[in-house]
Amino acid sequence: EAQVTQNPRYLITVTGKKLTVTCSQNMNHEYMSWYRQDPGLGLRQIYYSMNVEVTDKGDVPEGYKVSRKEKRNFPLILESPSPNQTSLYFCASSWGQASYEQYFGPGTRLTVT
Amino acid sequence: LAKTTQPISMDSYEGQEVNITCSHNNIATNDYITWYQQFPSQGPRFIIQGYKTKVTNEVASLFIPADRKSSTLSLPRVSLSDTAVYYCLVGPTGGFKTIFGAGTRLFVKA
Repeated sequence: EAQVTQNPRYLITVTGKKLTVTCSQNMNHEYMSWYRQDPGLGLRQIYYSMNVEVTDKGDVPEGYKVSRKEKRNFPLILESPSPNQTSLYFCASSWGQASYEQYFGPGTRLTVT
Repeated sequence: LAKTTQPISMDSYEGQEVNITCSHNNIATNDYITWYQQFPSQGPRFIIQGYKTKVTNEVASLFIPADRKSSTLSLPRVSLSDTAVYYCLVGPTGGFKTIFGAGTRLFVKA
């Protein structure tokens, strides 16, 4: 089954404790992206990747890092999480670019205390 | 990326046709129009995409006038399960940034 998976689905952590949210897709998609969704602010793009080893910033990249060492994986790294990064995070992928149909993962709900 | 404007919310009844209009006055020549549906706590799901005139699939229709400054998503005979937020996106082919607007919250009543 074609899908985008994220882990963990739920995470509660404390300020400053490094964490990684994994994202994996099995569709051989070139394009992957991370979004965060907050009440009243909608979905905002954090980072995206056009292909292996090629990444760029979205609208809200501060406090996040990403890497794309393999085509299928696109982890989101929070080196020193803060409470303002409490949010619902979505990973997405598509064939070649953002304008193509993006397939979204199930989401990761992160709480930073 | 072109800015989009949609109604914040809409109500409908089961069995009715629902039309959600999106305004995108600054759409560029190489921009496509894409609509997504999102249920609470789930990732958005692609519904339909178009460039001009009319596009139809098994779920919805997309109407785009000649000037392309707006588009209308048409959902035929909605059911309670169509209650969701609907997003209109405008972006170029070859582009990599995505901007989701506030979306339209559709509430379908029995």
